[in-house]
Amino acid sequence: GQQLNQSPQSMFIQEGEDVSMNCTSSSIFNTWLWYKQDPGEGPVLLIALYKAGELTSNGRLTAQFGITRKDSFLNISASIPSDVGIYFCAGQNSGGSNYKLTFGKGTLLTVNP
Amino acid sequence: GAVVSQHPSWVICKSGTSVKIECRSLDFQATTMFWYRQFPKQSLMLMATSNEGSKATYEQGVEKDKFLINHASLTLSTLTVTSAHPEDSSFYICSARVTRYSNQPQHFGDGTRLSIL
Repeated sequence: GQQLNQSPQSMFIQEGEDVSMNCTSSSIFNTWLWYKQDPGEGPVLLIALYKAGELTSNGRLTAQFGITRKDSFLNISASIPSDVGIYFCAGQNSGGSNYKLTFGKGTLLTVNP
Repeated sequence: GAVVSQHPSWVICKSGTSVKIECRSLDFQATTMFWYRQFPKQSLMLMATSNEGSKATYEQGVEKDKFLINHASLTLSTLTVTSAHPEDSSFYICSARVTRYSNQPQHFGDGTRLSIL
């Protein structure tokens, strides 16, 4: 089955630093999604990417859909303490009734004030 | 928009009890809902997909008689863990998406922490 390799597994940074994380896949996805999960809560959608090469921003967050459709990255600029959490990439393919998500294993982000 | 509400957020019960978890889309109609299970420090594992008006599709290795799913309406899906045992203790999360045939992303509920004693 499809697998996503998400890296890094964890990051420890100082407040104000920029962060970058990425996902690669062994196969193509039509849609890439980035979610953030806080402890004890469900994932919250940060950015959705629908087109190869697409670069999308949401405040301090920027994500890109790789042109090969097999990868995506997420950048966070000028990190703040509330950025702490687990970030998941997810790939989705459409077709018929199959809209399942394939998740990466997550990147645990710790921001030191 | 796209708010998904999950209830209860936390439940503790004795072994052998059946537990029902509700997932509601508050401001949109969800033709498709998904149920996930998440163990500590791990990613989300899809258990089943349900489409309103049809039977749920379970992932390989998930017991359909153990985890009963009912997509009762366009805004409500329920997961019932029947005769729960300690190994069923986990964080259960639902998600919903707007339409059946588009690339709309999944929106997640806040999860239910299930602890079986």
